[in-house]
Amino acid sequence: GDSVTQMEGPVTLSEEAFLTINCTYTATGYPSLFWYVQYPGEGLQLLLKATKADDKGSNKGFEATYRKETTSFHLEKGSVQVSDSAVYFCALEQGAQKLVFGQGTRLTINP
Amino acid sequence: DVKVTQSSRYLVKRTGEKVFLECVQDMDHENMFWYRQDPGLGLRLIYFSYDVKMKEKGDIPEGYSVSREKKERFSLILESASTNQTSMYLCASSLSGGRSETQYFGPGTRLLVL
Repeated sequence: GDSVTQMEGPVTLSEEAFLTINCTYTATGYPSLFWYVQYPGEGLQLLLKATKADDKGSNKGFEATYRKETTSFHLEKGSVQVSDSAVYFCALEQGAQKLVFGQGTRLTINP
Repeated sequence: DVKVTQSSRYLVKRTGEKVFLECVQDMDHENMFWYRQDPGLGLRLIYFSYDVKMKEKGDIPEGYSVSREKKERFSLILESASTNQTSMYLCASSLSGGRSETQYFGPGTRLLVL
């Protein structure tokens, strides 16, 4: 069945460092891909999404490109801030509205 | 502003109890979802609903049931709580059944079953 694999966490970086969180997927067809973020004590919120191959989603300085050839959707940010500390989830859409999530990657940014 | 609320942030129940988790959205959304979140497993879909009185099983429906009597409210029911249902439960909603719709999540209910 469809699945999403994220890089193991936790990830700890210093402020202003470059961030990459890897995400690869297995799916039939070409599903929409998402990154959701969960800040401490809150529910998930959509960070960005891409609906077809080569699409780039972006928001709040984060970017991810839908790579069909490598079945990947890696999340990147050029300069992270302490406020980016959160858990990040990669997900794919399996049929209308059904989301399949990765296991989540906890990110901590130190000042 | 989009709002999904859940009835409790923390809940402690005994094995065998019947447990109700309530979720309310104020956005007139058609779709509502229940997930459980466990460390190392991400989120897994329990049940979802496309309309009032409609429900569909997700990936892990065993031991759970749901009720959607009104459009804005979606309840998750643990008929007889067990320790392996200790988890974080997240409710979500989305506007319609279209592709790539954003899901809006509540803050979660952390359930401990003793």
